Amino acid sequence: GQQVMQIPQYQHVQEGEDFTTYCNSSTTLSNIQWYKQRPGGHPVFLIQLVKSGEVKKQKRLTFQFGEAKKNSSLHITATQTTDVGTYFCAGLEGTSYGKLTFGQGTILTVHP
Amino acid sequence: GAGVSQSPSNKVTEKGKDVELRCDPISGHTALYWYRQSLGQGLEFLIYFQGNSAPDKSGLPSDRFSAERTGGSVSTLTIQRTQQEDSAVYLCASSLRAWEPQHFGDGTRLSIL
Repeated sequence: GQQVMQIPQYQHVQEGEDFTTYCNSSTTLSNIQWYKQRPGGHPVFLIQLVKSGEVKKQKRLTFQFGEAKKNSSLHITATQTTDVGTYFCAGLEGTSYGKLTFGQGTILTVHP
Repeated sequence: GAGVSQSPSNKVTEKGKDVELRCDPISGHTALYWYRQSLGQGLEFLIYFQGNSAPDKSGLPSDRFSAERTGGSVSTLTIQRTQQEDSAVYLCASSLRAWEPQHFGDGTRLSIL
């Protein structure tokens, strides 16, 4: 079955440093979604990427979808303490009837 | 507007008992999902509903787990003869359509003694 691998599992940064998490799928995806889960909270949708090579920005966050639609990345510029949480990618296969396969997540810690 | 509502928020029960977890999706959302999240882990897909039908039940861990959705709205996840390894947070999510962004509830934290 489809697998989505996400690295790194943990990332500790100093406030102001950049952060990147990477997501790789074993199969071609029809779209990929990113979610953020704050400690003690539930996942919250950040963005959806659909097109090959797509790049989207939200303030300090930059999301990319690979040309082959099998990988994606999330980059945060100049991290802030409010960025703390777990970032999940979730891939949708074309034949999966809407079933999202989540990566294991990257836990981001930001030291002030 | 109202988000996804799950109840109970916490459930503590003895091993071997049955439990029912409830999910009220956002009104008008046709797709509904159940996930399980163990402490510090990712989201494990359990089951997905489109309307009242479940096209994909592949994630249910065993035949002790079942789920239904009625009226295209409320869903219930039932775990029979609970085991300690069933302890986790059970998250429900809904989306307008199957491929669209999912909105999560706060989850039910299930503890099996």
